[in-house]
Amino acid sequence: AQSVTQLDSHVSVSEGTPVLLRCNYSSSYSPSLFWYVQHPNKGLQLLLKYTSAATLVKGINGFEAEFKKSETSFHLTKPSAHMSDAAEYFCVVSDGSGGYNKLIFGAGTRLAVHP
Amino acid sequence: GAGVSQSPSNKVTEKGKDVELRCDPISGHTALYWYRQSLGQGLEFLIYFQGNSAPDKSGLPSDRFSAERTGGSVSTLTIQRTQQEDSAVYLCASRGGFSTDTQYFGPGTRLTVL
Repeated sequence: AQSVTQLDSHVSVSEGTPVLLRCNYSSSYSPSLFWYVQHPNKGLQLLLKYTSAATLVKGINGFEAEFKKSETSFHLTKPSAHMSDAAEYFCVVSDGSGGYNKLIFGAGTRLAVHP
Repeated sequence: GAGVSQSPSNKVTEKGKDVELRCDPISGHTALYWYRQSLGQGLEFLIYFQGNSAPDKSGLPSDRFSAERTGGSVSTLTIQRTQQEDSAVYLCASRGGFSTDTQYFGPGTRLTVL
């Protein structure tokens, strides 16, 4: 069965410093992995996705993530945090069997950005 | 439409009442999903519709929950005899078909059961 573990429930950074949000996955086959962001009182927005092409995936707003099969990780990074990045971030794996694509969400990491 | 829409955005109801939540997927998307986001349970899958196939209801928490999708487009999630533990944000997502695995989410309906 597929699962994801987000290693930090809260991360706090200063504006202009790097962001690292950690995610480990478990999957019995080559997974599709996603990062979604949810701003307060807003819907979920797709940041980026990995689907077995390049292992380094670039997303919107300067975010990127690297798929590391040997470490079963898909950590999200950004070189320089902006105040507008404050939100909750979800690492997600897709149960892609038979085109089903049910999404399995991590518990979320709340990112705080301080001036 | 431009994105997935859901209505109402907020719903407050009394325990024991029935509620209906509506989802309009992106035009042409064949797959539709309902998820629930609640404190303590995180985001959990409820039900999945794909075209004219029988829906996968494996995530529905009890038989008080049901959903239908009419004409392959609009979907309604119905909760009968609501309980306080049903309070959550109900999210709908749609996907374009088997060739893509990206789901696009609506803004959600916040349900509060008093």
